[in-house]
Amino acid sequence: DVKVTQSSRYLVKRTGEKVFLECVQDMDHENMFWYRQDPGLGLRLIYFSYDVKMKEKGDIPEGYSVSREKKERFSLILESASTNQTSMYLCASSFGTRDREIYEQYFGPGTRLTVT
Amino acid sequence: RKEVEQDPGPFNVPEGATVAFNCTYSNSASQSFFWYRQDCRKEPKLLMSVYSSGNEDGRFTAQLNRASQYISLLIRDSKLSDSATYLCVVNEGTYKYIFGTGTRLKVLA
Repeated sequence: DVKVTQSSRYLVKRTGEKVFLECVQDMDHENMFWYRQDPGLGLRLIYFSYDVKMKEKGDIPEGYSVSREKKERFSLILESASTNQTSMYLCASSFGTRDREIYEQYFGPGTRLTVT
Repeated sequence: RKEVEQDPGPFNVPEGATVAFNCTYSNSASQSFFWYRQDCRKEPKLLMSVYSSGNEDGRFTAQLNRASQYISLLIRDSKLSDSATYLCVVNEGTYKYIFGTGTRLKVLA
C-alpha cells in the first residue's frame, strides 16, 4: 500500500511566523505535489517536484516555497504566515510519466493550518 | 467555463438505489481521468481510474465520453458508507491534474 504521511494533522500559527509542513512517501514516487483545499474552490496546486532538487510553480505559489532534498521528502514552507493561508494542505505523490502514461496521485492525510 | 465541472449536489438517495454523477471537462486534449472519494475533513482517496473502454469495480462503474467531454460514475446498490464527496480529476498532461469541486452524496437509511 502506498503511504504518504504529513508531519502534523493540525497546526495553529501566528501571523508572520515561518511555517514548515513536511511530507514523506514510501513508494519511491518521482512526483510530489502540494495543494491547498478551500471550501468551494477545490484543490489548487501550490508547487510540485518531479525529481530531487527540482521544483515547479503551480497555480498559487505566492507566499510559499518548497524543498526536496531527498526523493521521499517534500517540504512546504510558508515564509511569513498570513491569515489568508489558513487552509487544509494536502501533499500527494505519483509515479513519473512513463511511456506517456499518467499515473494516479496518492494523498497524505492533510494538515489543517490555522493562522491567527 | 470552468476546466472541470461537477454538480455539487447533494444527491440524497435511499439505500439500495443506483446513482450516477457526471463530470464535464473543457480541454479536449486531456489525457487521463480519475474518480476520488473524499470523506469529511479527510484526504481524497483514489476510487478508480477511468479508461477509454469504461471500467467496473464491484458496484462502481466509470465511463469516459471523449466526444462529449465528460466522465461518469455509476454507483449501484448504494450503501450508507458510500456517503462522501466524489471528486472528478482530469489530467491535462504530465503534472497538471485539474480537480472538480466535488459532488456530495448522502445515502439515507
